[in-house]
Amino acid sequence: DAKTTQPTSMDCAEGRAANLPCNHSTISGNEYVYWYRQIHSQGPQYIIHGLKNNETNEMASLIITEDRKSSTLILPHATLRDTAVYYCIVRVWEQGGKLIFGQGTELSVKP
Amino acid sequence: NAGVTQTPKFQVLKTGQSMTLQCAQDMNHNSMYWYRQDPGMGLRLIYYSASEGTTDKGEVPNGYNVSRLNKREFSLRLESAAPSQTSVYFCASSAKGSIYSNQPQHFGDGTRLSIL
Repeated sequence: DAKTTQPTSMDCAEGRAANLPCNHSTISGNEYVYWYRQIHSQGPQYIIHGLKNNETNEMASLIITEDRKSSTLILPHATLRDTAVYYCIVRVWEQGGKLIFGQGTELSVKP
Repeated sequence: NAGVTQTPKFQVLKTGQSMTLQCAQDMNHNSMYWYRQDPGMGLRLIYYSASEGTTDKGEVPNGYNVSRLNKREFSLRLESAAPSQTSVYFCASSAKGSIYSNQPQHFGDGTRLSIL
């Protein structure tokens, strides 16, 4: 079972920041939080991951709370092409470090 | 740089037929994975290969076999296809073979398989 819970859907205005929340209250101390997105049933696209520090790359920022029980993915300036299903994943250390995908958040970026 | 390439992109089979899904990566990754995705569900791990020469079962291995042909290629075989195996199949790879790796997995664009 997925170790994360996310809202089913969210809307965001084009050009505004999209803030996608995720709860992972049962995360273990050495488990990483990963974010992927999937557009039109294409292969999942890696966005960002982190352990306990906030992370930023060219796509997004990841904010992890101090207790590590929740995190937020931030897309700073959402575009229409960011419309996708976003998956927050806690990577477990069994089965080769498999990713357990939940239902994800369907983000709709609107003009 | 192609990343992870899967072939074919689409396939229709009859019940009982066999086929092999191909996956190749050009990123010199050690670990490779096969997932399936069913409508309205997340991806589930079928098999993985932590490094060349090793393969292990994932969550849903029944009805499938795999071969890690070399470092680049990891194939998934359905010996006797069943309608329950209708799904979208994704291959992924990641940089390190350790089970404690925190290197991200990179996915191909999938094979859409229908079994009648």
